[in-house]
Amino acid sequence: AQSVSQHNHHVILSEAASLELGCNYSYGGTVNLFWYVQYPGQHLQLLLKYFSGDPLVKGIKGFEAEFIKSKFSFNLRKPSVQWSDTAEYFCAVPSNDYKLSFGAGTTVTVRA
Amino acid sequence: DAGVTQSPTHLIKTRGQQVTLRCSPKSGHDTVSWYQQALGQGPQFIFQYYEEEERQRGNFPDRFSGHQFPNYSSELNVNALLLGDSALYLCASSYLGTPVELFGPGTRLLVL
Repeated sequence: AQSVSQHNHHVILSEAASLELGCNYSYGGTVNLFWYVQYPGQHLQLLLKYFSGDPLVKGIKGFEAEFIKSKFSFNLRKPSVQWSDTAEYFCAVPSNDYKLSFGAGTTVTVRA
Repeated sequence: DAGVTQSPTHLIKTRGQQVTLRCSPKSGHDTVSWYQQALGQGPQFIFQYYEEEERQRGNFPDRFSGHQFPNYSSELNVNALLLGDSALYLCASSYLGTPVELFGPGTRLLVL
């Protein structure tokens, strides 16, 4: 079954800094990949998704992710973070029967 | 459209008790999935319901059971609660055969 791993458990950075969160997936044929965000006290929201086509995916709130097949990676990036980006970020991959397997998550703290 | 709704928002139970959590999917969605998110971890798939039948099940004991009603709403039941069942329980809805993208706000269960 497909699985993902996230490299960073907790990232702390200042406003305007660039953010990159790592996500690696296990090999398993066709790959669909998701990034979700969970703001404090709010529900899980889809940031962006990759199904096929352009490996550079644009999401909401200025986030993007790049699917690199040779590296089994789908890293999330944002050029300049804001305090409001403080949240927990999850990478996820659906199995063939579409249940989602999530990574352990990365807590991002942005200092004003 | 309210999206996915869940009730209650919070719940406190004691060990050995039973609990029922409820979920209403987004209008038009016919498939409901349940996930457990323990503190500091990514969501873990519990099971998925379609046409009132359990289609898939994750690695959870039989104490976890569910139901889907003709209007597609769903319940998650947990019997003989353990301290380790304390978690955020997430409901997600989708169309059959498509990846889950939409989650509800969750029910936070505390078992004392």
